[in-house]
Amino acid sequence: QKEVEQDPGPLSVPEGAIVSLNCTYSNSAFQYFMWYRQYSRKGPELLMYTYSSGNKEDGRFTAQVDKSSKYISLFIRDSQPSDSATYLCAMRYTGTASKLTFGTGTRLQVTL
Amino acid sequence: DAGITQSPRHKVTETGTPVTLRCHQTENHRYMYWYRQDPGHGLRLIHYSYGVKDTDKGEVSDGYSVSRSKTEDFLLTLESATSSQTSVYFCAIRPGQDTDTQYFGPGTRLTVL
Repeated sequence: QKEVEQDPGPLSVPEGAIVSLNCTYSNSAFQYFMWYRQYSRKGPELLMYTYSSGNKEDGRFTAQVDKSSKYISLFIRDSQPSDSATYLCAMRYTGTASKLTFGTGTRLQVTL
Repeated sequence: DAGITQSPRHKVTETGTPVTLRCHQTENHRYMYWYRQDPGHGLRLIHYSYGVKDTDKGEVSDGYSVSRSKTEDFLLTLESATSSQTSVYFCAIRPGQDTDTQYFGPGTRLTVL
């Protein structure tokens, strides 16, 4: 079983929809949680970063961490065609020199 | 792009051939990483470096070696390439000890025939 599980999709939504992307993990030692966005044939770029539990909002994006359920989410409001990309969750333990464990990524397609 | 370049961007090689991929950064960051990305596996850490001549293994280091003789360059070598090493390779930098943020390069697409 992988430490981090993520549905690969693809997830197709109409423009303007609210998108929910999720990851589950098995190791309760993960403390730091990130979401990366990756456009086709490009390197990943950091979207959101959260420490421990709670919510964090940045514009149309909200990251949510539920450590009791070992579950993290990324919500995208008013989705745009430019949001079409693969979204990767990543996480790490405390004291691991920023060695990140990534999910496999969910491919999102926002249609007009 | 955080001043990260990777070369070559594409390479096709044959099984048993040595291959070296280069990651170059322009901002003297201490921490550098090599990942591979494969369908169904996501990004997996191969090796990382926390300074000149200071490197350590990641999750999938077998068959790979690295070197860092200058701050700006981090080299990944496949001593004898195998078809299982066909992948997209990403270099990343971490701009400081107090951050988890990693900035990724554009990637190298390697095909081993």
